[in-house]
Amino acid sequence: SQQGEEDPQALSIQEGENATMNCSYKTSINNLQWYRQNSGRGLVHLILIRSNEREKHSGRLRVTLDTSKKSSSLLITASRAADTASYFCAPHTGRRALTFGSGTRLQVQP
Amino acid sequence: DAGVIQSPRHEVTEMGQEVTLRCKPISGHNSLFWYRQTMMRGLELLIYFNNNVPIDDSGMPEDRFSAKMPNASFSTLKIQPSEPRDSAVYFCASSSSGQETQYFGPGTRLLVL
Repeated sequence: SQQGEEDPQALSIQEGENATMNCSYKTSINNLQWYRQNSGRGLVHLILIRSNEREKHSGRLRVTLDTSKKSSSLLITASRAADTASYFCAPHTGRRALTFGSGTRLQVQP
Repeated sequence: DAGVIQSPRHEVTEMGQEVTLRCKPISGHNSLFWYRQTMMRGLELLIYFNNNVPIDDSGMPEDRFSAKMPNASFSTLKIQPSEPRDSAVYFCASSSSGQETQYFGPGTRLLVL
């Protein structure tokens, strides 16, 4: 398995602004997943994008995938204080285990 | 569905003691994963099981750590003897065959004094 590298490591924005997080990885993937972790809690799956997809939406979340650049981005629109959390990407190579990078710590100021 | 259940939620023990963490995966899921999270090392995969069989334990730190999955609804992670550097949050996750999404439990916060 391989892990993704999230960028930036930390992001602070005002409520209502958009938040963009990026993920880079190194080898071919079957899909890429994004997870959120609130402080003191387990990870929660947000969205999965397959290698043959370029963009996917879920509510206020928009994920893009560029397999030629081996990168993905997560956009949260109209952020809320409740979006404050760490966000992790997990490139999936087809094996059963995901590995995670250090994540992006998002702080949304009310 | 109750989700992945972990126990205990918090554990404080003294160095040298045995620690056993427990996990009940989501019913019907056939893959189970143990992770450890610390500030210094982030979220590390320790071991994962498929159909109760350990598939990859390369992340297990050392012989003091062992994991078992005696049946499809229960797994344990044991540390014997425990050391202060084992202090971390330990997460269990499960997924179902044909789906790649992993569902995480709430974690066990372990403090070894």
